Amino acid sequence: QITLKESGPSLVKPTQTLTLTCTFSGFSLSTSGVAVGWIRQPPGKALEWLALIYGNDDKRYSPSLKSRLTITKDTSKNQVVLIMTNMDPVDTATYYCAHRRDWTYDYWGQGTLVTVSS
Amino acid sequence: DIVMTQSPLSLPVTPGEPASISCRSSQSLLHSNGYTYLDWYLQKPGQSPQLLIYWGSNRASGVPDRFSGSGSGTDFTLKISRVEAEDVGVYYCMQGLQYPHTFGQGTRLDIK
Repeated sequence: QITLKESGPSLVKPTQTLTLTCTFSGFSLSTSGVAVGWIRQPPGKALEWLALIYGNDDKRYSPSLKSRLTITKDTSKNQVVLIMTNMDPVDTATYYCAHRRDWTYDYWGQGTLVTVSS
Repeated sequence: DIVMTQSPLSLPVTPGEPASISCRSSQSLLHSNGYTYLDWYLQKPGQSPQLLIYWGSNRASGVPDRFSGSGSGTDFTLKISRVEAEDVGVYYCMQGLQYPHTFGQGTRLDIK
């Protein structure tokens, strides 16, 4: 059974750095073709793809946010970490991590709401 | 980036009636391997998105057969043969062919 769960601060101040952790079970990032991605959703708005990492450490980023994002993995801990710098109120959103295999996001975490406010 | 455009954005449906959502991509989603990387997701109120259809027309595990996906190239359709109350939520199409992966604006289905 594949599960993912996001964790991190619920409130950050403008200009601060956000660190989110996705802890997963039921699969290994070492498996060929498997990846973990991050997607966010501002309140009442659509989904926005952020970043993705494969077990071979291949990383992909949204071009519009690339300068602010870093994605890493700890295979031994079954975790993927997303770091976003210089947070702004427009970054207020629910952040999801998701399992990707066969070119599809087939399992999603419950999401974590991050509010950016002073 | 590949732009995904859905219509309609709002879809009120009477239970038992069919429903259809259109999704168009700004570029073909056909890969050289012959597969088309277009997925459909449903986000029920207060929940995470859940996969309904992958590769354009394949139902995900556990998805009722009243849901079907079709289309090719740049034009895709999600159909619900008979809408049930549990189908309410926002439906998204997503292209997984190129980075960045991109989603449509979402179509909100509610019950009349």
